[in-house]
Amino acid sequence: QSVLTQPPSASGTPGQRVAISCSGNNSNIGSNTVSWYQRLPGTAPKLLIYNNNQRPSGVPDRFSGSKSGTSASLAISGLQSDDEADYYCAAWDDSLNGHWVFGGGTKLTVL
Amino acid sequence: QVQLQESGPGLVKPSQTLSLTCTVSGDSIGTGTHYWSWIRQPAGKGLEWLGRIYATGITHQNPSLKSRVTISLDTAKNQFSLKLRSVTAADTAVYYCARDSGWNGGFDHWGQGTLVTVSS
Repeated sequence: QSVLTQPPSASGTPGQRVAISCSGNNSNIGSNTVSWYQRLPGTAPKLLIYNNNQRPSGVPDRFSGSKSGTSASLAISGLQSDDEADYYCAAWDDSLNGHWVFGGGTKLTVL
Repeated sequence: QVQLQESGPGLVKPSQTLSLTCTVSGDSIGTGTHYWSWIRQPAGKGLEWLGRIYATGITHQNPSLKSRVTISLDTAKNQFSLKLRSVTAADTAVYYCARDSGWNGGFDHWGQGTLVTVSS
């Protein structure tokens, strides 16, 4: 069972906006920033968002992140068929000498 | 550009030690600008962080695996390695190495991943 909680699935139609939530606690999201990853089928995860809301070079501005308290959210606007993938959140956890924790992942289906 | 490549046996027997190496190009693991992490994903499950190492040799491990995980680095070869002891079928997974930019940067470069199966 993952430390960070994500919905197992989400869906939307092309052009729509979807949001994926990630819930943690005071030792992880409440104290540190959140990053988001996209894993397309058969490929390694790719960094989408870091430091809660920053996009690496090359990531479209359709992807945005936010954080409030012990929860975070990834929003995808103008949904496209190639956005169909698994999405994971992650945060550093200050407990037990510090360690990274991930969410269980959300499978996004573009209908 | 920064590239990471995992290598090692694809099949390990139960109770033995899983050993993987990550070769890094485009960055020097000895400069101390990043951590270097190992992450795995069992089939149908989520990502699990195993541990990381810094240029000074300082390591952090997943508390749930700490007693079985050793991470080391070879700056001369620009490689870092994972050893996971006493493996069981539950350790069957795709193993990734990744560059770890710290608590506010995340994992910004990943290897392609390598499947390790634990079976007799």
